[in-house]
Amino acid sequence: SQKIEQNSEALNIQEGKTATLTCNYTNYSPAYLQWYRQDPGRGPVFLLLIRENEKEKRKERLKVTFDTTLKQSLFHITASQPADSATYLCALDISGGSYIPTFGRGTSLIVHP
Amino acid sequence: GAGVSQSPSNKVTEKGKDVELRCDPISGHTALYWYRQSLGQGLEFLIYFQGNSAPDKSGLPSDRFSAERTGGSVSTLTIQRTQQEDSAVYLCASSPRLAQSYNEQFFGPGTRLTVL
Repeated sequence: SQKIEQNSEALNIQEGKTATLTCNYTNYSPAYLQWYRQDPGRGPVFLLLIRENEKEKRKERLKVTFDTTLKQSLFHITASQPADSATYLCALDISGGSYIPTFGRGTSLIVHP
Repeated sequence: GAGVSQSPSNKVTEKGKDVELRCDPISGHTALYWYRQSLGQGLEFLIYFQGNSAPDKSGLPSDRFSAERTGGSVSTLTIQRTQQEDSAVYLCASSPRLAQSYNEQFFGPGTRLTVL
C-alpha cells in the first residue's frame, strides 16, 4: 500500500547534538517533499521544501536530504536546543505534481538540556 | 492579524448536532485547505479551495461534511449530525497561490472538536 513512514517513537537527544529524523515513502514519485514543525496545540509551521532534482537543502541549523532512489528524506537539526523539541512532519505529493501535500504522522523530538 | 485564524478554538457538542467551523485565511491568499488531525494520526486532507471554487472535495469523509468559501476569503466547514468519530482537531491552511510550484502552507491553530 502507498504510505509515508515516520518513526512513531520519540527521538530523545542531548542539547548540542545533531538530531536526525527520517521520512520514508513507498510507491510514490514525488516532485517535492516538505518538512513542517508542529508544537502541541498549534498548527504545523513550514520549515523547508526540497524538490526531486535537489539532493540537499540547508536553512540555518536545518538540513534536508532527498534520495529518490532510496525513497527517503533525512531531516537534520545541528547544535540542537531544548526549544527544538516538537513534532516534525514530512509531507509530499503522492500523485506526481499535486499541489496538495500528503502528510506523515510525524516524529516527536525531545532535546534534553 | 497576520496569520490564519480559526474559530472556535474548542467546540464540544452532542452527537447528532450540527457544527460550523470557521477559517479566516491570510489576506490575499487564494488557496485554502481543510485538514483534520486525530490523536496520533497525520493530517488528513479534506478539501481545498482555489478562490471560491472547490476543485477537490475528494477528502470529505461523508456527505455530512460540506464546506464553502465566500468572497475568496472566509471559509466555513460544516459537519451535520455529528458522530463521535468526528472528534478531532480541524486545521485550516492557506497559501498565496495554487497554480505555482508547491507553495508552503500557512496553518491556523485549529479547532478542537469533541463529540460526546
